[in-house]
Amino acid sequence: NAGVTQTPKFQVLKTGQSMTLQCAQDMNHNSMYWYRQDPGMGLRLIYYSASEGTTDKGEVPNGYNVSRLNKREFSLRLESAAPSQTSVYFCASDTNVDTGELFFGEGSRLTVL
Amino acid sequence: KQEVTQIPAALSVPEGENLVLNCSFTDSAIYNLQWFRQDPGKGLTSLLLIQSSQREQTSGRLNASLDKSSGRSTLYIAASQPGDSATYLCAVKGGAQKLVFGQGTRLTINP
Repeated sequence: NAGVTQTPKFQVLKTGQSMTLQCAQDMNHNSMYWYRQDPGMGLRLIYYSASEGTTDKGEVPNGYNVSRLNKREFSLRLESAAPSQTSVYFCASDTNVDTGELFFGEGSRLTVL
Repeated sequence: KQEVTQIPAALSVPEGENLVLNCSFTDSAIYNLQWFRQDPGKGLTSLLLIQSSQREQTSGRLNASLDKSSGRSTLYIAASQPGDSATYLCAVKGGAQKLVFGQGTRLTINP
């Protein structure tokens, strides 16, 4: 009963390095999302994929790219990490981008030095 | 632009009390509203989902209400327990912004 699985759970990067956060869901959900959570800023949407083959920008997409690899997997890539991208990243999924109930992964804590 | 506000930011009550957490939103054109619980260092756990056509949802000791016209939702927790201590977030879904979150209410239940 895995739900939404994110890897890695923790990562430390140096400024300018690149990395990819992986997310997979086993609930046959159509829509997937990447959020970041920062103290005082709450949860903000980075990118989402309403269905397999589509991706759209959210509130804070700059510095990130995404790939909806298939229905199960949605990855988030930082091409050139910056200290401002230090955050906790959450992947989520639901059945329908408009009306579905959202389920979250456990989060990935990223520190950029 | 949709804005979601949760008041108070923090709440501390003795065990056994009934309590209400508040959530307000500025745009009533929503598809649904969802309440989550977040424990420190953990992800968000869905508690209750209320579709826009519904007025309330119940799960065990939790009851959530939705008044779209006034832009308000409440989460009622009955007979609170120390294990209920966590941050509670509400989020509304609709429009171009998809899901918009409030800042959360940090709840502490004192034994």
